[in-house]
Amino acid sequence: TQLLEQSPQFLSIQEGENLTVYCNSSSVFSSLQWYRQEPGEGPVLLVTVVTGGEVKKLKRLTFQFGDARKDSSLHITAAQPGDTGLYLCAGASSNDYKLSFGAGTTVTVRA
Amino acid sequence: GAVVSQHPSWVICKSGTSVKIECRSLDFQATTMFWYRQFPKQSLMLMATSNEGSKATYEQGVEKDKFLINHASLTLSTLTVTSAHPEDSSFYICSATSIRTGVEKLFFGSGTQLSVL
Repeated sequence: TQLLEQSPQFLSIQEGENLTVYCNSSSVFSSLQWYRQEPGEGPVLLVTVVTGGEVKKLKRLTFQFGDARKDSSLHITAAQPGDTGLYLCAGASSNDYKLSFGAGTTVTVRA
Repeated sequence: GAVVSQHPSWVICKSGTSVKIECRSLDFQATTMFWYRQFPKQSLMLMATSNEGSKATYEQGVEKDKFLINHASLTLSTLTVTSAHPEDSSFYICSATSIRTGVEKLFFGSGTQLSVL
């Protein structure tokens, strides 16, 4: 199983501020996914990035996949309390049917 | 979209009893299901991978006799925690995918909170 390092571990910001979460690995992934999870629920898929250098936008969320497909970032613009949750990145390799999850980033957006 | 149903959502049991958790794919055939364990504010730890009709593959450090996994049909996988102890208390999550969609289309259940007294 490949290791995905996610940072920061915790992030607490005021409503309206921006934030960025990073996901890094020394391994190459065929695809990388970002999930958001709320307490007592399963993770919900936000986006899948596949191509190196790819940028995807989902309303106020911007996801980027590194050129070498080893890292990714999630940027939230003008964060809202509804963005509060545990954000997880997960990578898949072409020869492994399993996802490797990062340790997660707990984001708290204060009103 | 595809939906994975996990039941029960929470369970409280006495130490020494066994608990069964079900994971069902409602509108697709799940050739592969994954079982995870998660501690508060931590990431998902993969416990085992189950393919329909074959024995589950357990991750290193996971006791297969403790956590029994059955994937007898393309829509149902079960995880049985045998002789549960307080240290088994955790949030258990399943996910499912099909050969056709691959791991990039992985659908998660809503999780089961197990509390062992």
